[in-house]
Amino acid sequence: TQLLEQSPQFLSIQEGENLTVYCNSSSVFSSLQWYRQEPGEGPVLLVTVVTGGEVKKLKRLTFQFGDARKDSSLHITAAQPGDTGLYLCAGEARDDYKLSFGAGTTVTVRA
Amino acid sequence: DTAVSQTPKYLVTQMGNDKSIKCEQNLGHDTMYWYKQDSKKFLKIMFSYNNKELIINETVPNRFSPKSPDKAHLNLHINSLELGDSAVYFCASSQSITDFEAFFGQGTRLTVV
Repeated sequence: TQLLEQSPQFLSIQEGENLTVYCNSSSVFSSLQWYRQEPGEGPVLLVTVVTGGEVKKLKRLTFQFGDARKDSSLHITAAQPGDTGLYLCAGEARDDYKLSFGAGTTVTVRA
Repeated sequence: DTAVSQTPKYLVTQMGNDKSIKCEQNLGHDTMYWYKQDSKKFLKIMFSYNNKELIINETVPNRFSPKSPDKAHLNLHINSLELGDSAVYFCASSQSITDFEAFFGQGTRLTVV
């Protein structure tokens, strides 16, 4: 069983549409990160959320940390083909100095 | 100027061979990691080192042996390669053992035939 469950697994949308990716757990996280990975590359950190209820914006990307610090969402407004990639959430839940990753959401934005 | 660089990017080898992957970071970070990404893109930690000291060994077969000659380098040696070892291996680093903002290398795609 994975510590972090991401949904949906795959998402294909038209350019200009909005999308939301979810990251859920039954565990509490001190912080949670979102990464984007493009084919043939390593994951790149997008954001870290720390406080329950926190909302962070990165241009057209909005990240929210749940009040109980067990879940997070990533919302992309007016998606562009450049947003295509694998989106991964990750967090450390058990004071074991180990970052656990969700299985990822593959986002495809069609031109 | 690449922050975390690993070599080689691709590695194709036969079962039973021994191979090494090298990783270097120029960020001045204290902590380095090896992750394995399987065919379903799931990333799982294998090892972490903090200032050359092994912190995490995530029940990886002892055919895998990491070595950290200094805090800027973390290499991975794999003995007696098996078909199931085929995956993409990522090196990463973070500022410290309690900082989970990780910077990843480009990955090494290992194919065992």
